[in-house]
Amino acid sequence: GENVEQHPSTLSVQEGDSAVIKCTYSDSASNYFPWYKQELGKGPQLIIDIRSNVGEKKDQRIAVTLNKTAKHFSLHITETQPEDSAVYFCAASPRNFGNEKLTFGTGTRLTIIP
Amino acid sequence: DAGVIQSPRHEVTEMGQEVTLRCKPISGHNSLFWYRQTMMRGLELLIYFNNNVPIDDSGMPEDRFSAKMPNASFSTLKIQPSEPRDSAVYFCASSLQKGGEFFGPGTRLTVL
Repeated sequence: GENVEQHPSTLSVQEGDSAVIKCTYSDSASNYFPWYKQELGKGPQLIIDIRSNVGEKKDQRIAVTLNKTAKHFSLHITETQPEDSAVYFCAASPRNFGNEKLTFGTGTRLTIIP
Repeated sequence: DAGVIQSPRHEVTEMGQEVTLRCKPISGHNSLFWYRQTMMRGLELLIYFNNNVPIDDSGMPEDRFSAKMPNASFSTLKIQPSEPRDSAVYFCASSLQKGGEFFGPGTRLTVL
């Protein structure tokens, strides 16, 4: 089955700087890679996703890159703000015919230092 | 859109009691997922349904856990009998075909 590793487990960044979280996956059949943000006391929130036919995707201050050959993908947050502080999860899934299950990384606790 | 709705938001019960968690997925979504989150084990998929049919229940810890989806707008996760080690936050999520999961706010379960 799929195995997703996520690094780092904790990350502290000065407000205004960039943050990068990296994930690797093992199953070459995986083709769907979402990222989730979880704030304290809330459920994970889908913030951006990428499919294997695309190498990069951006949405305002958030971008995700995918390297299929190396089987890794990354989340980039630019101009970080205090409200970016949360736990971030990456995930991977082979979504070809329906909603095959996601395999989640272990999470990164991001702290933005004012 | 109200998002995924879960009830109750908090549940405190005693060991041995039956617990039923409820979920209403986003209207039009055809897949529903039950997850459990703990500090020790992180986010675990328990079971998921496509078009109301259970597809993969390999994450269900043991026979004390059961899940049903009688129609497209409602699902339950039942624990009988409950044990202290079942204490966790239980999330329900729903999605469209090939889309990402949208999570509910969760049910925080405490078994004393």
